[in-house]
Amino acid sequence: QVQLQQWGAGLLKPSETLSLTCAVYGGSFSGYYWSWIRQPPGKGLEWIGEINHSGSTNYNPSLKSRVTISVDTSKNQFSLKLSSVTAADTAVYYCARGRGSGGSVAYYYMDVWGKGTTVTVSS
Amino acid sequence: SSELTQDPAVSVALGQTVRITCQGDSLRSYYASWYQQKPGQAPVLVIYGKNNRPSGIPDRFSGSSSGNTASLTITGAQAEDEADYYCNSRDSSGNLVFGGGTKLTVL
Repeated sequence: QVQLQQWGAGLLKPSETLSLTCAVYGGSFSGYYWSWIRQPPGKGLEWIGEINHSGSTNYNPSLKSRVTISVDTSKNQFSLKLSSVTAADTAVYYCARGRGSGGSVAYYYMDVWGKGTTVTVSS
Repeated sequence: SSELTQDPAVSVALGQTVRITCQGDSLRSYYASWYQQKPGQAPVLVIYGKNNRPSGIPDRFSGSSSGNTASLTITGAQAEDEADYYCNSRDSSGNLVFGGGTKLTVL
C-alpha cells in the first residue's frame, strides 16, 4: 500500500523560504503526478503545483513566481520550496499522488495523500 | 474560466439522499474528482472519472456529470458522512483547480 510521508519546518518568519519534502513508500514513483496542496486555517484546498517522475512541472499561476517543486527519483522523494513567505502562506500543506487519463472526457484524481504539515508564518 | 463553484453548505436528514454539485467550464472536458475531508484529517478520494469509487468507499457514494455540472450523490446518508466535500479537475490550461468546498451536515 502506497504511503506518503512528509516533513519540513513548521514555523517560519516572514520573507523566509518554506521547504517541505514528501517521500513515497510502497509504490512506483514513475507514471504519476506528484502534487502539493495547501489549506489555510478554516478555508478550502488550494493546489500549489505538481511534478512528474521526469521532472516536468506545472504550477498554480498565482504562486508560480515563488514556487519550485523538484524530484529526487533515487530516493522516491519530491520537494516544495516557497520563497518570500508571508502570514498568508500559513496553512496545512499536503503532498498527494495524482493520476489521470485522456479521452473525449478526460479525468484526473489524487488517490493518495500525506497526513499534512502545519506551517505557520509569524514574526 | 478556471473556477469550480460549489454551494457552501448542504444538509440532509439521516438516511435520505443528498446531491452536492460543482459547476465550471472545465467540467465539459474533464470529469470531476471528489474528496471528503473530516476535521483535522487529510482529504480522501471518494469518486473519480465517470463514476468510479476507490476501494473502501461505500457504494452509497456515486458521481454523475452533465454539461458544466458534476454531482456527488450520497444515497442513504449516514452520520459519518458529515464532512466537507471538494470537487477538483484540470482547467483548459492544464492547471488543477478545486471547488470552494461544501460542508455537509447530517441531521
